[in-house]
Amino acid sequence: EVQLVESGGGLVQPGGSLRLSCAASGFNFGTFAMSWVRQAPGKGLEWVSALSGGGDTTYYADSVKGRFTISRDNSNNTLYLQMNSLRVEDTAVYYCAKDLNTYSRFEVDPWGQGTLVAVSS
Amino acid sequence: DIQMTQSPSSLSASVGDRVIVTCRASQSISTYLNWYQQRPGRAPKLLIYTASNLQSGVPSRFRGSGSGTDFTLTISSLQPEDFATYYCQQSYSTPPTFGGGTKVEI
Repeated sequence: EVQLVESGGGLVQPGGSLRLSCAASGFNFGTFAMSWVRQAPGKGLEWVSALSGGGDTTYYADSVKGRFTISRDNSNNTLYLQMNSLRVEDTAVYYCAKDLNTYSRFEVDPWGQGTLVAVSS
Repeated sequence: DIQMTQSPSSLSASVGDRVIVTCRASQSISTYLNWYQQRPGRAPKLLIYTASNLQSGVPSRFRGSGSGTDFTLTISSLQPEDFATYYCQQSYSTPPTFGGGTKVEI
């Protein structure tokens, strides 16, 4: 069974940093692209970032470009999202999700349970 | 950016009803359209990809159709576990964008 477990969320002040992790199991991790998608409280979904299976191709939303960095450790089946210069508007539940393909086609399933990032002073 | 517009934003239905949710793209996206279900307090789940392909494990009462700019998600006979919010999402071009969601309520 494919499982994705996020961790690393929490409360941080504006301008601060957090690193999210997503531990994957149940599939050949390095074969599939992975993504981070977020959902602000009571709001819709926003695609944040994506990374190909081999780690050579990335996507970032304009809203996070230059502040967030996606990476992966295929030997440890883990996806990361380094978030710097956090803003209040980054407050959301962050989900990691597995793409159906090696290179991201933005078709993802399953999703992890999510980790809450709250940016507030 | 491609804008995705869903209608209705919410609907009330009963168990056994046929439910149709529509999604319109601001430009043609061929069949690069996916549907997700999100139950309260849970992560989204992929139901349909590339407009009409049923994701593995998804019941056959879910059906997707459409191409170009207009798409529909049909639930043939609503079950209690189907009360949720449904999102369409285009994967034609970056940024990938979601519709605002359709909440299916009892």
